[in-house]
Amino acid sequence: KAGVTQTPRYLIKTRGQQVTLSCSPISGHRSVSWYQQTPGQGLQFLFEYFSETQRNKGNFPGRFSGRQFSNSRSEMNVSTLELGDSALYLCASSPFGGNQETQYFGPGTRLLVL
Amino acid sequence: ELKVEQNPLFLSMQEGKNYTIYCNYSTTSDRLYWYRQDPGKSLESLFVLLSNGAVKQEGRLMASLDTKARLSTLHITAAVHDLSATYFCAVTGNQFYFGTGTSLTVIP
Repeated sequence: KAGVTQTPRYLIKTRGQQVTLSCSPISGHRSVSWYQQTPGQGLQFLFEYFSETQRNKGNFPGRFSGRQFSNSRSEMNVSTLELGDSALYLCASSPFGGNQETQYFGPGTRLLVL
Repeated sequence: ELKVEQNPLFLSMQEGKNYTIYCNYSTTSDRLYWYRQDPGKSLESLFVLLSNGAVKQEGRLMASLDTKARLSTLHITAAVHDLSATYFCAVTGNQFYFGTGTSLTVIP
């Protein structure tokens, strides 16, 4: 089975721009979660989607949003980028989510905001 | 909010030695996970521990869980260079809460 894929792998943006990241889960997995990883804050949960619905949300401002499509693929969007948004963004998938299953992580998208 | 702490944050050890990484968490959790992350790579699942006293072993790594003490340990036996990575524990509440990570370097 193919693993979780994320595109693009690297991005450079400037402050004030917006960005969209994409995640394709493992085939058959319906839950997708997004995380931000930075050296200072570690791994922080952004949100989880299941069957096209946001099931849970972390403590991030409204500039961070996401969605999930009927094929379980997910996108996250960050608007009005700030320097502090520079991070590795990881998505993870699991069959049903709800934090009762192992999450399988993609390779991440490394975002640099200048 | 559930807090997860790991120690040490950095660990440099010689090949062939044994060591333990500790993971403490602040409130009751259903389960505990250990993940490994190589530099520039994503997280790889190592173990999931589901109940008090659970022990899982894979190669030179052994993980255990004490839910009463809210403590998990990851024990490394006879370290080899290939084990150099960052190790994260994670517990679940309404989401996954990850520890700070332990950066392990195994020196020949």
